[in-house]
Amino acid sequence: EDKVVQSPLSLVVHEGDTVTLNCSYEVTNFRSLLWYKQEKKAPTFLFMLTSSGIEKKSGRLSSILDKKELFSILNITATQTGDSAVYLCALRFQGAQKLVFGQGTRLTINP
Amino acid sequence: KAGVTQTPRYLIKTRGQQVTLSCSPISGHRSVSWYQQTPGQGLQFLFEYFSETQRNKGNFPGRFSGRQFSNSRSEMNVSTLELGDSALYLCASRPSGGQKGTGELFFGEGSRLTVL
Repeated sequence: EDKVVQSPLSLVVHEGDTVTLNCSYEVTNFRSLLWYKQEKKAPTFLFMLTSSGIEKKSGRLSSILDKKELFSILNITATQTGDSAVYLCALRFQGAQKLVFGQGTRLTINP
Repeated sequence: KAGVTQTPRYLIKTRGQQVTLSCSPISGHRSVSWYQQTPGQGLQFLFEYFSETQRNKGNFPGRFSGRQFSNSRSEMNVSTLELGDSALYLCASRPSGGQKGTGELFFGEGSRLTVL
């Protein structure tokens, strides 16, 4: 069975800290890896990674994929309380909308 | 542009009943998929529809079914409800057929089902 493992499951830091969230997987035949942020209900899209070694950036968030070592990381610098959310990693397979999600990392930013 | 709309937002049912949830995708999106989210199992894929045809199905029992209409709206049905069906059911849509996009799914706010 396709497996996506995120770590840590939960993380509490202070505002201004930098955090690194991890996503590892056990399959190789996927099309892309996606990161989502879920604050209350609807997950919202952050990044889609398809190629190894190419960093995607959006403001204080960045992400990179390592297809050789089978993992991705999501970095958030200068964290703010608004970054508190569950961060989800998912694999998308060729020709399908099906996403296989990790269990998520619950990030809490304390002021 | 309106986002993905799901109804109802909250509902409470008892064991043995059935439930139908509705999803209206973003205008122009023809692909719709459904996910179940529970604290224990996380987000799990239920089904995917495109042009009224189910293209992919997750590992759920036959009590879970769905359909898509010609206007791309989708419904999912759960029959003979069990306590373990209590979950947030999320619908997502995506542009397809050559439309530009990142390949991301756009999620609705979800329908929170509680089975007593």
